[in-house]
Amino acid sequence: QVQLVESGGGVVQPGGSLRLSCAASGFTFSSYGMHWVRQAPGKGLEWVTIISYDGSDKYYADSVKGRFTISRDNSKNTMYLQMNSLRAEDTALYYCAKDQNHCSGGTCYGVDYWGQGTLVTVSS
Amino acid sequence: QSALTQPPSASGSPGQSVTISCTGTSSDVGGYNYVSWYQQRPGEAPKLMIYEVIKRPSGVPDRFSGSKSGNTASLTVSGLQAEDEADYYCSSYAGSNNLVVFGGGTKLTVL
Repeated sequence: QVQLVESGGGVVQPGGSLRLSCAASGFTFSSYGMHWVRQAPGKGLEWVTIISYDGSDKYYADSVKGRFTISRDNSKNTMYLQMNSLRAEDTALYYCAKDQNHCSGGTCYGVDYWGQGTLVTVSS
Repeated sequence: QSALTQPPSASGSPGQSVTISCTGTSSDVGGYNYVSWYQQRPGEAPKLMIYEVIKRPSGVPDRFSGSKSGNTASLTVSGLQAEDEADYYCSSYAGSNNLVVFGGGTKLTVL
């Protein structure tokens, strides 16, 4: 069965950095696009970024563009999110999520599986 | 990237039907048949309930159905059960510039 396990969350000061990881299993990781979606405490879901199956295409929400970088290592079945210049408004539970498609050229069909999330708290 | 518009709350008695709307634009909901619906119970990760507007993943009860008209997608839950009480989110593909957009969520209460 599909499993997505996030790690790397924690408490960081404003302006700091953090790297999240997502370990995938139960499917052919190298064939699918992968997302990061976040949820601030008590709030709704917010799409953050996506990477295509081979890492060649990456897209970001305006709110994180220039500060966050998504990457993947298909040999390790792992996706990453490097978060720099963190702000209080980045505080959220960060979910790793699998797309139904490869997302090459930005053609994605939507998330079908989610991890349990890793909590990022930006506070002084 | 503007969020899709959902009503903040919906409710119904056990056995009744309830419909949750999700309104976007011709650049997202109206332009593509890649609308998904997710159920999120408290403390849990979201779960896919409907994809590609009308399709149901295996294991999702057929009480859940999806539809779309113009720029508005809808999720209908028939024969409401207590276990259906949760937050429901819609999402849509929004083209190769904006990629993915979510609705603000609807809290479904089973009375």
